[in-house]
Amino acid sequence: EVQLVESGGGLVQPGGSLRLSCVASGFTFSTYWMHWVRQVPGKGLVWVSSINSDGTSTDYADSVKGRFTISRDNAKNTLYVQMNSLRAGDTAVYYCARDSFYYDSDGYQHDAFDMWGQGTMVTVSS
Amino acid sequence: DIQMTQSPSSLSASVGDRVTITCRASQSISSYLNWYQQRPGKAPKLLIYAASSLQSGVPSRFSGSGSGTDFTLTISSLQPDDFATYYCQQSYTTPRTFGPGTKVDLQ
Repeated sequence: EVQLVESGGGLVQPGGSLRLSCVASGFTFSTYWMHWVRQVPGKGLVWVSSINSDGTSTDYADSVKGRFTISRDNAKNTLYVQMNSLRAGDTAVYYCARDSFYYDSDGYQHDAFDMWGQGTMVTVSS
Repeated sequence: DIQMTQSPSSLSASVGDRVTITCRASQSISSYLNWYQQRPGKAPKLLIYAASSLQSGVPSRFSGSGSGTDFTLTISSLQPDDFATYYCQQSYTTPRTFGPGTKVDLQ
C-alpha cells in the first residue's frame, strides 16, 4: 500500500526536544522531495520544512529556522524532523507530505503535495 | 513571502449546488496554484494542481481556473462527501504558503 505514516508526537515541556518520523511505503521514496506541514487544531495549514530527494538541500519556515532540522534516510524510507527549543506556538498536528512534479501543456514544471500522512500531534506545555 | 487569501471564509450550501471559492495571491504566481480538500480529522487531499489540472482520481465536478493573482475552485454539483475545508497553496516559491481555508458546510 502506498502510504506515509508519522510517529513520535507527544507532550513535551517548553524548551524540550522531540523527533518526528515519517515512514514511506509503496513508492520509491528516494526519488521524491518531502515536506513537513503543521496545523494547529481548528486552524489552517502551515508549511514547516522541505528536503530534496537525496537530502542535500533543505529549507525552513522562519518560525522554526535554527530550531528544527529536517533529514531523511533513504535506505530506511524514512523522513525525520528534529525539533529543539520547543515553544507553545509549536503545538500542532504535524504532517509529512510527498511532493510530486507535474508538467503543464506548455511544458512547465509544477509541484504539489500529492500524498500526506495521517499526522502526529505535538503538544508543548508545562 | 507570498500571502494567500481566500473568500469566503465559510459558506453554507446544499447538495446539488454549484460552489465557487476564490483564492488571491499577493503577487503574480502564474499558474503555480494548487487546491486541497480537508475533511474533519483527516489529512489534506490534493484536488487540483497547476491551477486547472485535475489530480488523478478526483471527480470531474471539481475544476480550477485562473492565473496571475486570481484563482477559483468550482464544484459543479455539491455532493455529501464535499462538505469539507478547501485550501489553496502557491507552488511558485518557498515558503509554500497556503490560504486560510474555506469551510463548506451543509445549509
